[in-house]
Amino acid sequence: EIVMTQSPGTLSVSPGEGATLSCRTSQSVGGKLAWYQHRPGQAPRLLMYDSSTRAAGIPARFSGSGSGTEFTLTISSLQSDDFAVYYCQHYNNWPPITFGQGTRLEIK
Amino acid sequence: EVRLVESGGNLVHPGGSLRLSCETSGYTFTSYSLIWVRQAPGQGLEWVAYMVRSSDTVYYGDSVKGRFTVSRDYAKRSMYLQMNSLRDEDAAVYYCARISPATGYLYMDVWGKGTTVTVSS
Repeated sequence: EIVMTQSPGTLSVSPGEGATLSCRTSQSVGGKLAWYQHRPGQAPRLLMYDSSTRAAGIPARFSGSGSGTEFTLTISSLQSDDFAVYYCQHYNNWPPITFGQGTRLEIK
Repeated sequence: EVRLVESGGNLVHPGGSLRLSCETSGYTFTSYSLIWVRQAPGQGLEWVAYMVRSSDTVYYGDSVKGRFTVSRDYAKRSMYLQMNSLRDEDAAVYYCARISPATGYLYMDVWGKGTTVTVSS
């Protein structure tokens, strides 16, 4: 089973600033990694797939990068509704399908 | 608009059973695989079960294998999760989600808002 490790656990950032979230996998997943945003009480939302491809309707201030075992989600100019929990998920060599433990992005 | 709506969550005693439903609309039902994912209180996301669109083959997470069963009703555009022998650790919000149509690319492009299962005596 591929283990996903996200860092940091919690990130405090002021609105208007940028944020960088990391996801590491225990073995290479190539580029088969997705990112999701999850606000409390709402449905999770696909942000990024294939590491760096934005999902439909996702603004350009969200960007993804990485391959192999190291991945990054970058959010520029944070807006109020960006404060949420972010999960990474691999889809290489499944099952199982595994998620990271999440990074909570909170307002500083 | 693509929509997935879960229902059936409730309070159940340990050892009890519950059936969750996921009703879909807004897309060609037979063209997409579906998945159940759960989130226990204070925890992250955990894959529960994944049903392949073309074969109805189902893959189960180790923690639910042998206790949970997934089925699909094409006429009702719905997927179901039959949960038996429920344990305290099965308490969670259960989400259904649609899987990307690209073969082998198991990321979830649309999610429902979830239904809550509480397991308590």
